[in-house]
Amino acid sequence: GEDVEQSLFLSVREGDSSVINCTYTDSSSTYLYWYKQEPGAGLQLLTYIFSNMDMKQDQRLTVLLNKKDKHLSLRIADTQTGDSAIYFCAERDGNTPLVFGKGTRLSVIA
Amino acid sequence: GAVVSQHPSWVICKSGTSVKIECRSLDFQATTMFWYRQFPKQSLMLMATSNEGSKATYEQGVEKDKFLINHASLTLSTLTVTSAHPEDSSFYICSARELDTGELFFGEGSRLTVL
Repeated sequence: GEDVEQSLFLSVREGDSSVINCTYTDSSSTYLYWYKQEPGAGLQLLTYIFSNMDMKQDQRLTVLLNKKDKHLSLRIADTQTGDSAIYFCAERDGNTPLVFGKGTRLSVIA
Repeated sequence: GAVVSQHPSWVICKSGTSVKIECRSLDFQATTMFWYRQFPKQSLMLMATSNEGSKATYEQGVEKDKFLINHASLTLSTLTVTSAHPEDSSFYICSARELDTGELFFGEGSRLTVL
């Protein structure tokens, strides 16, 4: 079946950029998502990218997609302590359910 | 944006009792809703796909008699954990697919603790 892999932990200093990486196996992935989950809370959609795009920028967030290598990354510029959370990469093909990675726990050090 | 509401947000119950969790799309219609389960510090695992007016499709390893799913209307799906046991304690999250756009929206989750 489809698989989505992420590194489990990332620690950065406040003000630095964070880059969270994700790889996936489904070559027919149409949509790729980044979700943020704060402790005890549900999922917050941060951004998404269609598979026919290679970059999307939204304020401090930049998503890069390398479809050939099936690699997705999320860059957070000027990382703040409020960005500390778990970030999930997810993908789907058409109307299929989302397949999630295990999540990357981002810790921001003041 | 579209809102998906889950109720209750927190529930504590005794072992052996049944608990119902509701997932509502507040301002859009959803023909399909998904139920996920999340253990502490783990990813979301899809439990079942719920389609309005038909039986839910369960993922492998998920007991359909244990986790009853009903999707009676275009705005409401319910998950009932029957005869709950401590190992059922988890964070349950639903998502709803908007009928018109196909967009997916997530609820805030329901934390179940079985004593």
